[in-house]
Amino acid sequence: GENVEQHPSTLSVQEGDSAVIKCTYSDSASNYFPWYKQELGKGPQLIIDIRSNVGEKKDQRIAVTLNKTAKHFSLHITETQPEDSAVYFCAASISASYGKLTFGQGTILTVHP
Amino acid sequence: NAGVMQNPRHLVRRRGQEARLRCSPMKGHSHVYWYRQLPEEGLKFMVYLQKENIIDESGMPKERFSAEFPKEGPSILRIQQVVRGDSAAYFCASSKLEGEQFFGPGTRLTVL
Repeated sequence: GENVEQHPSTLSVQEGDSAVIKCTYSDSASNYFPWYKQELGKGPQLIIDIRSNVGEKKDQRIAVTLNKTAKHFSLHITETQPEDSAVYFCAASISASYGKLTFGQGTILTVHP
Repeated sequence: NAGVMQNPRHLVRRRGQEARLRCSPMKGHSHVYWYRQLPEEGLKFMVYLQKENIIDESGMPKERFSAEFPKEGPSILRIQQVVRGDSAAYFCASSKLEGEQFFGPGTRLTVL
């Protein structure tokens, strides 16, 4: 089955700096890659996703890149703010319409004011 | 438009008791998924259901765990004869056929 590896496990940045989180996946059939933000005591919230027919997607300060050949994808957050502090999870699925998501282990992002 | 609702938010059970976790999907969503999150770990897929059908239960433990999504009412994740290792946060998500999964706030199960 699919295996998703996520790095780093913790990331500490200063406010205004950029943050990058990287994930690799094993199943070449995967073609849907969402990113979730989880705040303490809450459920994960989708922040951005990308499908395999796209190499990059951007939404304001957040961007995701996908390299299908190398089977890795990354989350980029620019101009970080303290409210970006949370746990971020990457995930992979064979399809956006088939629900089984395989999650990475998570990255604890801390943004220092 | 209410989001995914889960109850109870916190559940304490003694070893050997039964735990029932409920999930009401978002309005218009007919697909429900259950995930388990152990402390400081990522979410692990358990089961994927549509109304009255189990589509994929490949992540469900073979014994003591069951799930249903009846024609009427919420989806239920049932854990019989709980053990300490069942202590975790259980998240439900829902979606339409094509689209993102929206997660509920989770049920935190503690087994004493």
